[in-house]
Amino acid sequence: DAKTTQPNSMESNEEEPVHLPCNHSTISGTDYIHWYRQLPSQGPEYVIHGLTSNVNNRMASLAIAEDRKSSTLILHRATLRDAAVYYCILRDSIQGAQKLVFGQGTRLTINP
Amino acid sequence: DTEVTQTPKHLVMGMTNKKSLKCEQHMGHRAMYWYKQKAKKPPELMFVYSYEKLSINESVPSRFSPECPNSSLLNLHLHALQPEDSALYLCASSPVWGKNIQYFGAGTRLSVL
Repeated sequence: DAKTTQPNSMESNEEEPVHLPCNHSTISGTDYIHWYRQLPSQGPEYVIHGLTSNVNNRMASLAIAEDRKSSTLILHRATLRDAAVYYCILRDSIQGAQKLVFGQGTRLTINP
Repeated sequence: DTEVTQTPKHLVMGMTNKKSLKCEQHMGHRAMYWYKQKAKKPPELMFVYSYEKLSINESVPSRFSPECPNSSLLNLHLHALQPEDSALYLCASSPVWGKNIQYFGAGTRLSVL
């Protein structure tokens, strides 16, 4: 599986936007970029995924660089509940029962 | 209902005990997974079941024995564990085809004494 690189930690303030970067310079043409997050004392939860185009859903936006070697998860207006570890994961297909290979992730702290 | 239910939430066992972890989902997912997560570390895959058959075993020691008795249930049988096996054990499920988004349970926190 291609590797991703994320900052170990980031800090932001409540009600401000948060941009979480992810580098994946060895991404292949068929790799999808997935983001999961893990809130304290919970299992990971799916946030968003994309292939080439930017994606939006009710939780976040995903901005993918034109060369696909990096991406950014955007939380438009952070709340205290968004404090979590965010994982950027590459998947070579969206089909089939496949494992998720988690990196170290970014621990996001939100200040009130 | 997008819930994956794991029981028990906490488990303490001795090295000679036999115990089982249980996972249940009613989303019609035919892929189910066991992950292990040590403190301050990311989850690591242990097993994958697809259509109730074991499809991936990440070289897990035989003291961990998975079982998928039907499409809604996944068990992890534990026997003769070591203290270093203490961890959070996470279950997940997903469709096999289409958007392969995995839904995770809250996990079972296991302590081996």
